[in-house]
Amino acid sequence: DQQVKQNSPSLSVQEGRISILNCDYTNSMFDYFLWYKKYPAEGPTFLISISSIKDKNEDGRFTVFLNKSAKHLSLHIVPSQPGDSAVYFCAASHPGWGGADGLTFGKGTHLIIQP
Amino acid sequence: KAGVTQTPRYLIKTRGQQVTLSCSPISGHRSVSWYQQTPGQGLQFLFEYFSETQRNKGNFPGRFSGRQFSNSRSEMNVSTLELGDSALYLCATTKGTSGTYNEQFFGPGTRLTVL
Repeated sequence: DQQVKQNSPSLSVQEGRISILNCDYTNSMFDYFLWYKKYPAEGPTFLISISSIKDKNEDGRFTVFLNKSAKHLSLHIVPSQPGDSAVYFCAASHPGWGGADGLTFGKGTHLIIQP
Repeated sequence: KAGVTQTPRYLIKTRGQQVTLSCSPISGHRSVSWYQQTPGQGLQFLFEYFSETQRNKGNFPGRFSGRQFSNSRSEMNVSTLELGDSALYLCATTKGTSGTYNEQFFGPGTRLTVL
């Protein structure tokens, strides 16, 4: 049973426009959510996160929105740039000893920015 | 500071063999988590070690095991390899500080191919 779902395996967006990546989760115990970006042959790199006590977190071109009642979060990238082309993973964490309880990842969305 | 290192980067084995992968965390990081990434299942949590103790485990068979040394370096072992074990194995490290969420930093991964 997949607890974190990214229903779009791929997304194509024109350079300069907004990219919106979506993620749904089922486990109400999750209290911290993260987005990771992954290029081929590299490990994922942390992009942005949000705690369940917030509904929005912004960092430069990246904004994450959390809708707890809908168990849904989204990542907005504005404006999209060619270097943003990568696979984006949504991940969730729930309270555990030290906070490092192991992340639950979605299967990823391949974002392609077209010139 | 140096990032997370994983060795070897690539490995080819045959069914029935065993394999040991190594992860050296960022200096000062005491928690090491291991993940398996496959095209069909995405990133799945294997286990997490802190202070030489496994404190969390994902849903994988007993053929997958790990350990952590006093210098926080970690190894994972897969015995009796199966074709389905072909995957990218990633380790992620954090400070492991109790009570707060700790951002996980990923290594580049070890690509294991089982023939």
